[in-house]
Amino acid sequence: QQQVKQSPQSLIVQKGGISIINCAYENTAFDYFPWYQQFPGKGPALLIAIRPDVSEKKEGRFTISFNKSAKQFSLHIMDSQPGDSATYFCAASLQGYALNFGKGTSLLVTP
Amino acid sequence: GAGVSQSPSNKVTEKGKDVELRCDPISGHTALYWYRQSLGQGLEFLIYFQGNSAPDKSGLPSDRFSAERTGGSVSTLTIQRTQQEDSAVYLCASSLKAMNTEAFFGQGTRLTVV
Repeated sequence: QQQVKQSPQSLIVQKGGISIINCAYENTAFDYFPWYQQFPGKGPALLIAIRPDVSEKKEGRFTISFNKSAKQFSLHIMDSQPGDSATYFCAASLQGYALNFGKGTSLLVTP
Repeated sequence: GAGVSQSPSNKVTEKGKDVELRCDPISGHTALYWYRQSLGQGLEFLIYFQGNSAPDKSGLPSDRFSAERTGGSVSTLTIQRTQQEDSAVYLCASSLKAMNTEAFFGQGTRLTVV
């Protein structure tokens, strides 16, 4: 059973626009929610992460919004750039054990 | 090394053969993870090591899959009697303690079973 569901599967955004990727999780005990960015031929790299005691975390153009009651979290990329074109994965874990990943969102930012 | 190193980067093997995939984690990282990435399927957890022990082997898909870690460092994932459905990218990650600290992934080994 997929414990983290991610949408959309693919996304096309114009340069300068806002990219929004959503995730929903099942296990209310999850305590760590990272987002990873992956370029073709590379391993995923940590982009930003949040814990459930905060509702929002911002790092530069990247923001995670977290809704504990709805068991949802999302990634917002402001002022999207062509260099942001990549696959994005949300994930969740419990007490430092294995990350449960969503299936990924392929983002294309057009010039 | 500066990052997580995996070898080989690509492996083509015949169905039924055994393969070994190697992961060199970042020095000092006690936690090590193996994941499998199939096209369109995200990242599937295989096994987790803390030091040399594997407290969580729940993701290994069958008894053809095994892994070990020696000296708290290098890990080897072995797939016996490979099948075509084993074709995927196998990713290794390490973190200083456990997965709720930053985990660093290697570039993966692309395994193709023909």
